[in-house]
Amino acid sequence: TQLLEQSPQFLSIQEGENLTVYCNSSSVFSSLQWYRQEPGEGPVLLVTVVTGGEVKKLKRLTFQFGDARKDSSLHITAAQPGDTGLYLCAGAEGGYQKVTFGTGTKLQVIP
Amino acid sequence: DADVTQTPRNRITKTGKRIMLECSQTKGHDRMYWYRQDPGLGLRLIYYSFDVKDINKGEISDGYSVSRQAQAKFSLSLESAIPNQTALYFCATSSLGQGRDGYTFGSGTRLTVV
Repeated sequence: TQLLEQSPQFLSIQEGENLTVYCNSSSVFSSLQWYRQEPGEGPVLLVTVVTGGEVKKLKRLTFQFGDARKDSSLHITAAQPGDTGLYLCAGAEGGYQKVTFGTGTKLQVIP
Repeated sequence: DADVTQTPRNRITKTGKRIMLECSQTKGHDRMYWYRQDPGLGLRLIYYSFDVKDINKGEISDGYSVSRQAQAKFSLSLESAIPNQTALYFCATSSLGQGRDGYTFGSGTRLTVV
């Protein structure tokens, strides 16, 4: 079983601060996805990155796929309370036939 | 209506009881999945189905079974529930090859086995 390690596990910050969440593996992925999960709900897809070195931006969120396609990061600028949730990365192998989810980073943004 | 609907949302059951969790989808996706979520362990795949006649075990299928009754329906059964099956269960769907659309998840079933 491939493992995707996310760090940190927990993060509590003040509104307006910046933060970065990391997703690391020893495996090479054909693509990597980031999801956000709010309490009582299922994960919702934020972005998919497919090319090594790719950077995608979604408003205040910046996603980067590592050059070797083994790792990814999520950077949030000027965090808002609405960013609170569990962030999950998911790596796809073999043409999307197999997807492995990371362990998750629980983010709390305090007003 | 939600794209992926799971029932029930919450369930408390006793050890040894058989329980079924149901999932239906309106996405028109061929692929359906059952995941289990535990704190610190992320989402782990229980079973998946790529079409009505295709059922595959995931990484933690022991103690579970599934039925794909139709393209839109995929149910998960715990034949004899045990306390360590207490968890949050998610059904998900995806299009062929998943592509860039990722998974669409239901809202989950919180199962407690006492």
